[in-house]
Amino acid sequence: GAVVSQHPSWVICKSGTSVKIECRSLDFQATTMFWYRQFPKQSLMLMATSNEGSKATYEQGVEKDKFLINHASLTLSTLTVTSAHPEDSSFYICSARDTAKGGGEQYFGPGTRLTVT
Amino acid sequence: DAKTTQPNSMESNEEEPVHLPCNHSTISGTDYIHWYRQLPSQGPEYVIHGLTSNVNNRMASLAIAEDRKSSTLILHRATLRDAAVYYCILSRSGGSNYKLTFGKGTLLTVNP
Repeated sequence: GAVVSQHPSWVICKSGTSVKIECRSLDFQATTMFWYRQFPKQSLMLMATSNEGSKATYEQGVEKDKFLINHASLTLSTLTVTSAHPEDSSFYICSARDTAKGGGEQYFGPGTRLTVT
Repeated sequence: DAKTTQPNSMESNEEEPVHLPCNHSTISGTDYIHWYRQLPSQGPEYVIHGLTSNVNNRMASLAIAEDRKSSTLILHRATLRDAAVYYCILSRSGGSNYKLTFGKGTLLTVNP
């Protein structure tokens, strides 16, 4: 089956520093990847859609200058949380669509738990 | 985006079938019905999706009403590993986005 990995699985950083999270599709190519954020006991919230070779599309209310997304290849997208603050502590999850399939199903990574102290 | 309505929670016994309902009365003709599930502290897992006809796969079955305004995810024999939050999501076909908007989902508890 289609596998999506994320690295790191968890990270603790100090307030004001930046953190980069990687999302990789391991056995398929993904023209489109998605980044979500999930706070405790809440549902997933879509942050942005990442398209290979072009600028990401951010959802309303998500600061593009704070959450930098790069999708430089068909198997890798990165999310950089710049100048992180404690309120950015959350569970960040990426997903990817298999470009070869037309069904639209997304395959999710295991998530990255970010804690900002 | 068309909205879905699911019960907040449901309970089942192990090895019994589970029917998880979803209402989507404002569904449009190009909306696919997707089901995902999420175990605690994990990313969601794709379960099944369909457009008009009922669908079966190794994980579950999806029964879609004739008017497409509701659907039911069927787990034929629940196991303890099926305990999760189940999300019913409508996703528009075509284009490059296929965005998924997650609601609150249904928390399924499976009793041994």
